Amino acid sequence: GQQVMQIPQYQHVQEGEDFTTYCNSSTTLSNIQWYKQRPGGHPVFLIQLVKSGEVKKQKRLTFQFGEAKKNSSLHITATQTTDVGTYFCAGSSGYSTLTFGKGTMLLVSP
Amino acid sequence: DGGITQSPKYLFRKEGQNVTLSCEQNLNHDAMYWYRQDPGQGLRLIYYSQIVNDFQKGDIAEGYSVSREKKESFPLTVTSAQKNPTAFYLCASRLAPGQGSYGYTFGSGTRLTVV
Repeated sequence: GQQVMQIPQYQHVQEGEDFTTYCNSSTTLSNIQWYKQRPGGHPVFLIQLVKSGEVKKQKRLTFQFGEAKKNSSLHITATQTTDVGTYFCAGSSGYSTLTFGKGTMLLVSP
Repeated sequence: DGGITQSPKYLFRKEGQNVTLSCEQNLNHDAMYWYRQDPGQGLRLIYYSQIVNDFQKGDIAEGYSVSREKKESFPLTVTSAQKNPTAFYLCASRLAPGQGSYGYTFGSGTRLTVV
């Protein structure tokens, strides 16, 4: 079945440093979504990418979808303490259900 | 405000008991999902339903059952056959595939503990 791998599992940065998490799929995806889960909370949808090579920005967050539609990344510029949480990628092929990666836990020290 | 309501927030189950987790949405979403989250394991799909009176097994359906008698409701029963039920259970919904490219909306979850 479809597998989605995410690295790193965990990252601890100082406030102001940049952060990147990477997502790789075993199969070609029709779309990829990113979610953020704050400690003790539930996942919240951030964005969906559907086009090969697509890049989208949300303030300090930059999302990329690979040319082969098998990988994606989320980059945060100049992290803030409010960025703390676990970031999940989730991919699907066609109309199948989403397969979630195991997430990257981000800790930001002030 | 539209959203998904899960109840209870915390649930304690004795060995051998069945328990039912509630999930209600007023978003008029067709598709609903149940995920299980364990530390370091991400989200694993238990069951999903794309229309009323129809549902499919996900990756870890053994020991669980669901029903979808109303569009708004998708309760999950954790049966005594589920050997390791202690986990965080998340319900989600979205528009049916093909009706829009939108993300899942999640409820706030139910933490189930076996005592």
